[in-house]
Amino acid sequence: AQKITQTQPGMFVQEKEAVTLDCTYDTSDQSYGLFWYKQPSSGEMIFLIYQGSYDEQNATEGRYSLNFQKARKSANLVISASQLGDSAMYFCAMRADNYAGGTSYGKLTFGQGTILTVHP
Amino acid sequence: DTGVSQDPRHKITKRGQNVTFRCDPISEHNRLYWYRQTLGQGPEFLTYFQNEAQLEKSRLLSDRFSAERPKGSFSTLEIQRTEQGDSAMYLCASSPDGGNYGYTFGSGTRLTVV
Repeated sequence: AQKITQTQPGMFVQEKEAVTLDCTYDTSDQSYGLFWYKQPSSGEMIFLIYQGSYDEQNATEGRYSLNFQKARKSANLVISASQLGDSAMYFCAMRADNYAGGTSYGKLTFGQGTILTVHP
Repeated sequence: DTGVSQDPRHKITKRGQNVTFRCDPISEHNRLYWYRQTLGQGPEFLTYFQNEAQLEKSRLLSDRFSAERPKGSFSTLEIQRTEQGDSAMYLCASSPDGGNYGYTFGSGTRLTVV
């Protein structure tokens, strides 16, 4: 079974500063993928960044980077130069790739989320 | 293609009534997922379709829930005899096979059971 833990219910950051949102995960699978999604008040889940378990380099997508520490099973999201529009709920999620036995099917397991508020 | 569409956006129903939600995925996506999200929580997996075949169902999906994807295109999620505990956001997502990047979510259907 997979588990995602986000220990920060809420985070505050000043506009233009960087912020790190924490995510730790637990899995016995060797192959897996880690995702971060943003959910504004409108409800839609917006994909931000992906990291594969075998990727050696940390993923980056514009102002988003994923600090992947495999041995510690952590996948923290770093948002640089925060903007007011970054205020939203952020979810870390994991997909297990255990196709041996063939029952993964790519479903995502989500953490409980972190509410980020960006102050002007 | 405008992404994943869900209809309706909001639904208020009386306890005991049946409700049906629709999801139109991205047309070339074979995989379709339903998730349920309660207030302040992350989404929880409900069920998965590969084309028209329903290949996995969560234990969260009680007998009152049924989902279909009859032609491998749009999907419906029906809840019979709704209960107040069914109040939640129901999210649909689609992806191509091997979706490392390709999970696209709809805006969800918010169900309120009164």
